[in-house]
Formats: sequence, structure tokens, C-alpha cells
Amino acid sequence: SFELTQPLSLSVALGQTATITCGGNNIGDINVHWYQQKPGQAPILVIYRDTNRPSGIPERFSGSNSGNTATLTISRAQAGDEADYYCQVWDSSTAKFGGGTTLTVL
Amino acid sequence: QVQLVESGGGVVQPGRSLRLSCVASGFTFSSYAMHWVRQAPGKGLEWVAVISYDGRKKYYADSVKGQFTISRDNSKNTLYLQMNSLRLEDTAVYYCAKDPYRRGVVPANNWLDPWGQGTLVTVSA
Repeated sequence: SFELTQPLSLSVALGQTATITCGGNNIGDINVHWYQQKPGQAPILVIYRDTNRPSGIPERFSGSNSGNTATLTISRAQAGDEADYYCQVWDSSTAKFGGGTTLTVL
Repeated sequence: QVQLVESGGGVVQPGRSLRLSCVASGFTFSSYAMHWVRQAPGKGLEWVAVISYDGRKKYYADSVKGQFTISRDNSKNTLYLQMNSLRLEDTAVYYCAKDPYRRGVVPANNWLDPWGQGTLVTVSA
């Protein structure tokens, strides 16, 4: 089955750029979606189909996907961006989530 | 706006059953596929199941196949998850979530948006 690999944690300085990766075999060949989850809250969609931002998501959030790595980039990181981030794909009629990355803004 | 409200969670003994509900509003429920996703305490997200807009197609994670049943009542704008033979490892917050496309095909390479606030299921002796 398709395995998704995310770093457990990532720290970024306030105002700098955070890059969260999601690794998988030829993941660039399929659509990747990204979710943000803050403590005690339900996940919200931040990027769909690799690069698309839903309405209401700041332009600071962007995505890319190529080869074996999909990437969520958060520019000018803010304290409010502290959260867990999950990538998601479909594989053999089932949805799969990465293990999640905890982003800390210092 | 779209709203999804889960209910039915609680504390249940191993081996017992529980049925979760998700009431939808703010959109034409009968036109959209729906999902269940769970999250064990302190753990990541795990997709559980999806049902097509008309209820004819259902797909499950291997971990719950044969144990859980997803269903819907479009006349009541309600999604269900029947959970049988519950195990300790089924302890989790269970979320329902909406598929993006009207009368979309399932399964498809789609995202889940939005999600409900979740309902906690605790399996404990």
C-alpha cells in the first residue's frame, strides 16, 4: 500500500518560511491535499489538488508536488500557523493520510 | 453555510456496538458523497469510510472492513456509522466530512471539506 512520510515536527522563526514535506513513491503522479489541525479543533483544508487554495486560506499557503515529494509552504509564518499539518492522497479506493507534522513558530 | 454535526459517541465496553450520526445542513446533502475519519487520542488522522451520494457505493479502510458499516438517509440529511464488535483500538474522535463534487464518483482523488467537530468514542472495560 501507498505510504506517506512526513517529518514529525518542524520549527520556524516568526516571519520566516516553513516547508512541510510529504514523501511517497512517485507521489507527483497523484493529487495531494493538505489539512491544518489546531489543538482541540477539527481539521480544515488548506491546499487541494497539489496547489489550489480554498477560499479564505491566506495566499501565504502554497503547495507543490513533483517526483517523490509533495510540499506545503507557509510564507511569513505567524503564531496562528502553529498546528499539525497532514497530507492526504487516494490509493486503491481508500484515502491515506500522512502521519502529520507539528509546526512550531518560534 | 455548510454545517456537519456528529453525535452518538460515548463510553462503550469492548465487543459492544455503537451508531454514530452526522446531521448535515447548508447544502444539498443528497448530492454529495460523505466520509468518516477518525483520530485516536494523540495520534494522526485515519480515514474510515466513504459513501456515494446515493448510498449505492461504499468503501472502507482495511482496519474496519467487516466491522463498521457506513450508511445515509437522504430524507433526513443524516450520515451514519454503525460500529460493531468494538475494540480498545477503536477509541477515537470520529469526524464526518463532505466530498467536494456534486454527484461525484467514488472513490476519486478528492479532498474532504468541510469537517464536523467530531464525536468521541471511548472503548473501555
